[in-house]
Amino acid sequence: EVQLVDSGGGLVQPGGSLRLSCSASGFTFSTYAMHWVRQAPGKGLEYVSGISSKGGSTYYADSVKGRFTIFRDDSKNTLYLQMSSLRTEDTAVYYCVKAEGNNYLGNWFDPWGQGTLVTVSS
Amino acid sequence: EIVVTQSPTTLSVSPGERATLSCRASQSVSSNLAWYHQKPGQAPSLLFYGASTRATGVPARFTGSGSGTEFTLTISSLQSEDFAVYYCQQYLNWPYTFGQGTKLEIK
Repeated sequence: EVQLVDSGGGLVQPGGSLRLSCSASGFTFSTYAMHWVRQAPGKGLEYVSGISSKGGSTYYADSVKGRFTIFRDDSKNTLYLQMSSLRTEDTAVYYCVKAEGNNYLGNWFDPWGQGTLVTVSS
Repeated sequence: EIVVTQSPTTLSVSPGERATLSCRASQSVSSNLAWYHQKPGQAPSLLFYGASTRATGVPARFTGSGSGTEFTLTISSLQSEDFAVYYCQQYLNWPYTFGQGTKLEIK
């Protein structure tokens, strides 16, 4: 069974940093693009960042570009999101997703992790 | 950026009845569209990709249709577990964008 387990969320002050992790199992992690999608409390889904298989290409939404870094450790089957200069508007549940489809960064997202809550507040 | 708009925002339907949800893209995305649903307190899960291809395990009462800029998700006979929030997502161009969601609630 394909499984994604998100962790690392918590309470952080504005301007602070946090690293999220996504532990993957049940598939050959290194051959799939992976992404992060977030959902602010009571709101819809917002794409955050993605990384191709083997990490050669990355993509960031404008809202996080220059502040967030996505990377992966294929030896540990783990995806990461390093978040810095956090703002109150970054408060959200962050979901790790596995990409499917023939684009080098994937197309649609399946499955989704359970999510990890990041709260940016003083 | 391709803007994706869903309608209605909230849809009230009785169990056993038919529900029709709409998704519109600001420019043609061909068939590069996915549908997800999200039950309360859970992560989203994939329903359709390629506008009309069911994901594994999705019941036949769910139908996805459309291409270009207009898409429809139809649920033929609503079951209790179908009441959720539904999102569409275009994946023609980066950034991939989601609609704002349609909440399907029990009437």
